[in-house]
Amino acid sequence: EDQVTQSPEALRLQEGESSSLNCSYTVSGLRGLFWYRQDPGKGPEFLFTLYSAGEEKEKERLKATLTKKESFLHITAPKPEDSATYLCAVQANDRGLQGAQKLVFGQGTRLTINP
Amino acid sequence: GAVVSQHPSWVICKSGTSVKIECRSLDFQATTMFWYRQFPKQSLMLMATSNEGSKATYEQGVEKDKFLINHASLTLSTLTVTSAHPEDSSFYICSAKQFSNQPQHFGDGTRLSIL
Repeated sequence: EDQVTQSPEALRLQEGESSSLNCSYTVSGLRGLFWYRQDPGKGPEFLFTLYSAGEEKEKERLKATLTKKESFLHITAPKPEDSATYLCAVQANDRGLQGAQKLVFGQGTRLTINP
Repeated sequence: GAVVSQHPSWVICKSGTSVKIECRSLDFQATTMFWYRQFPKQSLMLMATSNEGSKATYEQGVEKDKFLINHASLTLSTLTVTSAHPEDSSFYICSAKQFSNQPQHFGDGTRLSIL
């Protein structure tokens, strides 16, 4: 069964204090790993897709990396507006036409950046 | 680009009534749409996957007669919660994607409260 575990569950940082969020996954054939940001009362907002180990993607203060077992979301010099819940999800191969479209989400990391 | 609109954003109704939620892809044609349910401080749980013009595929444990899904066009899917009861109160979120190798894009969710 595909599984995604995110840590820590919650993280408080001071503005400018860099850190990393972890996403460990177990899937038989990774089609893609996705990072989303979710603000309270809103739907998730797409950030990155990573497809293979060694791949990295960057957007402003965020950088996502991928290995064969986990992904990290590095946040550099965060600002209060970066406060949100960050969700990691995996899409697996060989699940049939409908199954191949499914995302399995982790529980998320609630990130709070204090000014 | 890749905007998904969900309506209504918030609904309160009496127990026993049916509620319809709409999900529209505004600037792309969505071959596949998804419906999720999210409880407070928990991650997204997939309820069903639907392709335009065909029957939805429901996840295990989701009652298809309770949660009716219609994906009549490439830009619109609807979720009808029939004979809603207080235990159906939740945050319902839809997502859409155009092609299989693209990420899912999410609506802003519908907060459903059944009295």
